[in-house]
Amino acid sequence: DTEVTQTPKHLVMGMTNKKSLKCEQHMGHRAMYWYKQKAKKPPELMFVYSYEKLSINESVPSRFSPECPNSSLLNLHLHALQPEDSALYLCASSRQDGGYEQYFGPGTRLTVT
Amino acid sequence: GQQVMQIPQYQHVQEGEDFTTYCNSSTTLSNIQWYKQRPGGHPVFLIQLVKSGEVKKQKRLTFQFGEAKKNSSLHITATQTTDVGTYFCAGDNFNKFYFGSGTKLNVKP
Repeated sequence: DTEVTQTPKHLVMGMTNKKSLKCEQHMGHRAMYWYKQKAKKPPELMFVYSYEKLSINESVPSRFSPECPNSSLLNLHLHALQPEDSALYLCASSRQDGGYEQYFGPGTRLTVT
Repeated sequence: GQQVMQIPQYQHVQEGEDFTTYCNSSTTLSNIQWYKQRPGGHPVFLIQLVKSGEVKKQKRLTFQFGEAKKNSSLHITATQTTDVGTYFCAGDNFNKFYFGSGTKLNVKP
C-alpha cells in the first residue's frame, strides 16, 4: 500500500468554525508533513513530524494546530481561520525525515468564508 | 533564507519538441528531488539526485545535478501530451525541504 489518504476532500468553513483535516498512511513511514499550496504556487512546508514528534514548525500561525496521534495518523486542527488561509492542504509521508522521497495525499481543498 | 528558483515559469511546446526546466538554489543542497503535479492533482515523486554531477535517466526524462550541488535540470525528449503538468524541483538542506517555484508545461497535440 503506497497510498496517503486525506479527508475531507473539500471543506468550506466560516471564520469562527473549528474543523480538522485528517491524513493517514500505512507504509510504516516515520515522517509526516503538512503543506499548504495556493493556486499556481509550489507547496509550502508548514509542519514536519518525525517519529510522532513535531520537528519543524515553519512559523505557522497558531490558528493551525498539528497533531500526530500515532505513526500512521496526522491531523491539522483549524480554528479562527482567515479567508487568505483558503488553499489546498497537502499531507505527505516519507520513510524518515531528511531527504527521502515523499508520498503525497490528494489534498483537502479548503475554503474559508 | 533558502530559495529554490526554477525557470522558465511556463513553457508551451508542440508535441514532439523537447523541454528543459532549470532549478537553482541559493545554498548547497544535500540532495534534490523532482516531482510532477498534474492539473488538479498532487505532487508525485519522479527521482532523487544525491551525488555531485549525477545524471539519471527515466525513459524520455534526463535529470542532472550540478557539480556544486546548487543547480539541477530536467530534460524531456520528444514531449507527449501526457507530460502536461507542473514540474517542481525540491531541495533538502539540513532536513528542511523547499520546493522550487515550478515550471508549468503545456503540450499542444
